[in-house]
Amino acid sequence: DAGVIQSPRHEVTEMGQEVTLRCKPISGHNSLFWYRQTMMRGLELLIYFNNNVPIDDSGMPEDRFSAKMPNASFSTLKIQPSEPRDSAVYFCASRRTGGGAYEQYFGPGTRLTVT
Amino acid sequence: AQSVTQLGSHVSVSEGALVLLRCNYSSSVPPYLFWYVQYPNQGLQLLLKYTSAATLVKGINGFEAEFKKSETSFHLTKPSAHMSDAAEYFCAVSETGANSKLTFGKGITLSVRP
Repeated sequence: DAGVIQSPRHEVTEMGQEVTLRCKPISGHNSLFWYRQTMMRGLELLIYFNNNVPIDDSGMPEDRFSAKMPNASFSTLKIQPSEPRDSAVYFCASRRTGGGAYEQYFGPGTRLTVT
Repeated sequence: AQSVTQLGSHVSVSEGALVLLRCNYSSSVPPYLFWYVQYPNQGLQLLLKYTSAATLVKGINGFEAEFKKSETSFHLTKPSAHMSDAAEYFCAVSETGANSKLTFGKGITLSVRP
């Protein structure tokens, strides 16, 4: 089975540009999570969805960040406009909900560099 | 509210030595507990999980962890370190429920000396 798929794997952009990160969760998983990882702040949960509905977006840093999940197999995280402090590795994770121990499966991440 | 404490940020051991990575948690309800490993330039990978069955949990790559409720701990151990174990290790706690989320510790970097 394919794992969580993220694209692009690397993104370099200039300050002020719009950035869109993409995630395809594991088939059959109905929860999806977006994380950000930096040396300074570690691993931060930005937002998560259950059954395509946002449950908690309290980790989204500011209005420049938005996330959508239009269907069960696709989610986007958008930053507009981007700033150098947004440089980080962004991870998407998914899990099956409703029984079991709720472990999350992580994608390989998107390394974002904003210059 | 739940939280995880991983004391220290870096542990160094010799190849063949015991690995012990500490994790203490705080949770208002019986938790699920997890250890994840992150190799350089990769995503997090599940090592093992505690789900209120056996208190001693065995995971991949020879790792195991013991849930101790009285100590609110879930320390990760491996009897003999291998060079390939060098990575960052995260402990995480989750409450039960469909809308639960993982709360991660800050992570510990394990170095293995030849």
